[in-house]
Amino acid sequence: GAVVSQHPSWVICKSGTSVKIECRSLDFQATTMFWYRQFPKQSLMLMATSNEGSKATYEQGVEKDKFLINHASLTLSTLTVTSAHPEDSSFYICSALKGDRGIYEQYFGPGTRLTVT
Amino acid sequence: EDQVTQSPEALRLQEGESSSLNCSYTVSGLRGLFWYRQDPGKGPEFLFTLYSAGEEKEKERLKATLTKKESFLHITAPKPEDSATYLCAVQAKAGNMLTFGGGTRLMVKP
Repeated sequence: GAVVSQHPSWVICKSGTSVKIECRSLDFQATTMFWYRQFPKQSLMLMATSNEGSKATYEQGVEKDKFLINHASLTLSTLTVTSAHPEDSSFYICSALKGDRGIYEQYFGPGTRLTVT
Repeated sequence: EDQVTQSPEALRLQEGESSSLNCSYTVSGLRGLFWYRQDPGKGPEFLFTLYSAGEEKEKERLKATLTKKESFLHITAPKPEDSATYLCAVQAKAGNMLTFGGGTRLMVKP
């Protein structure tokens, strides 16, 4: 199997505070994880690529100082939304890359609903 | 630039009415084409990976096929529980990133 978990599944925070979201690969090791954002009735938008032991690679237009990514182990990546504002409210989804004999597939977590008030 | 276009955007079917979803793509060297199912408020669930033209894969009522320009997801005799958004994505040989299409929202009425 290939199971990816996220915690929390939903969070409500006040404007100006920071929120940390965890992404874990439960039954495989993942040197690469990805963070996506999804708005209602839209497809997934890649925010950044997280590599274990190195700095994350951010997509154009994504503020790296606002969305801090840490990939400290082969099974855990975290996304911290710093000084959150209402416009950061969204559905955040992570995925973990599982590779085996040259075949690489992304498995997704269940998502985290962030609401900033 | 890699591009993925899915059609139709939305599809309403009666239970038992078979149909196909289309995914057209352009990519600089295809490593793999992926199909996912996403239910509201949840993360995408992996369905299939296709690697080369002519390849087909099946899972229950779903069958995915691949040509050099597009992929089809055939749904045979769908049931209401097949209602979901189906996402198509391509992975280029140059990296591990996925480029997603806009999705097809499938609604199956009993």
